[in-house]
Amino acid sequence: AQTVTQSQPEMSVQEAETVTLSCTYDTSESDYYLFWYKQPPSRQMILVIRQEAYKQQNATENRFSVNFQKAAKSFSLKISDSQLGDAAMYFCASMLATGTASKLTFGTGTRLQVTL
Amino acid sequence: DSGVTQTPKHLITATGQRVTLRCSPRSGDLSVYWYQQSLDQGLQFLIQYYNGEERAKGNILERFSAQQFPDLHSELNLSSLELGDSALYFCASSVGWGDTIYFGEGSWLTVV
Repeated sequence: AQTVTQSQPEMSVQEAETVTLSCTYDTSESDYYLFWYKQPPSRQMILVIRQEAYKQQNATENRFSVNFQKAAKSFSLKISDSQLGDAAMYFCASMLATGTASKLTFGTGTRLQVTL
Repeated sequence: DSGVTQTPKHLITATGQRVTLRCSPRSGDLSVYWYQQSLDQGLQFLIQYYNGEERAKGNILERFSAQQFPDLHSELNLSSLELGDSALYFCASSVGWGDTIYFGEGSWLTVV
């Protein structure tokens, strides 16, 4: 079974600053995917970034980047130049890529507040 | 807009009743997933269908059932509703396994 842990229930960052959200996961599989999803007040789940476990290079998407440490089973999200629109709940998730079934297992989320 | 369409967006119903939530996946996606998000339990995986067949089952109650039709749209049926079933129900879709999963806007269910 997969588990995903987000140990920071809430984080705060000033506008234009950088913040890092932590995530650890546990899986016995060697082939899997990791994601960060953003859930703003509208409650829609929006994909932020995706990382394949077999890739050593950390994924980046504009102001969002990850620090993927496979041996440590760590997958943190860095948001640079934070904007007011980044305020949301952020969920880390893992997905196995074996067999014919796939599902996302989510962490409990980190609520990010962006202040002026 | 993710391309995943869910109806209805909001639904209020009484305990003991039955409701059906509908989902149209993104064009080209064969996998459909259902998730439940309640205040105290986070995002819980319910069930996955791939091209009409059930492929994975999570913590889905026996009172709940789902299916995926030949045109790939899916329905989640919730029966004998209880107050605790009040939640945001997400449908999501992907091309297949291992591919990124995209979420619809969700269906808010309130049981009174």
